[in-house]
Amino acid sequence: DAGITQSPRHKVTETGTPVTLRCHQTENHRYMYWYRQDPGHGLRLIHYSYGVKDTDKGEVSDGYSVSRSKTEDFLLTLESATSSQTSVYFCAISGGGHEQYFGPGTRLTVT
Amino acid sequence: GESVGLHLPTLSVQEGDNSIINCAYSNSASDYFIWYKQESGKGPQFIIDIRSNMDKRQGQRVTVLLNKTVKHLSLQIAATQPGDSAVYFCAENSGYSTLTFGKGTMLLVSP
Repeated sequence: DAGITQSPRHKVTETGTPVTLRCHQTENHRYMYWYRQDPGHGLRLIHYSYGVKDTDKGEVSDGYSVSRSKTEDFLLTLESATSSQTSVYFCAISGGGHEQYFGPGTRLTVT
Repeated sequence: GESVGLHLPTLSVQEGDNSIINCAYSNSASDYFIWYKQESGKGPQFIIDIRSNMDKRQGQRVTVLLNKTVKHLSLQIAATQPGDSAVYFCAENSGYSTLTFGKGTMLLVSP
């Protein structure tokens, strides 16, 4: 998975609790992305980062925040998890070209 | 959780057949188009890409065709093998550094 790890790989949490997912890369790539994947919707971009402390919203950013304090780490936070945020979350990285390389995913269940 | 493969159009082929997976894209200004393969429980994996100024590109056992007139992209897999069974996504660049993904097609290869 191109030097990308995601943690945790699986998480079950209760509605209303905060959750943070971590993406770590060893490729020193500038761009990092968070997607969610749901049946019938494919991959949808939540937020992305184009450098340390530089982030922007994607298609489905409501209810999510991100932070990137160093090149190798990109954190996705659900401030107050809802059942609609039950999904599989993928991190991706890119060196600036159009190719993106994906991590193994995190399966999040909000009960 | 529910598999991402549910609700997807499915192409079923026999081992050794050629497979053709189709994708309609929306943005006539897109510069790049990419095909990804996603095996069950894994992140998407880059297969092949094509620039908008090309109409055909070949890789190892795969060929991508681009028809800009009708905004259509196809992925041809020669001599399909059981290991090709997966969900295939097309993607187009939707900004300088972001991609928009199609909903995917499931390819099932029978021995």
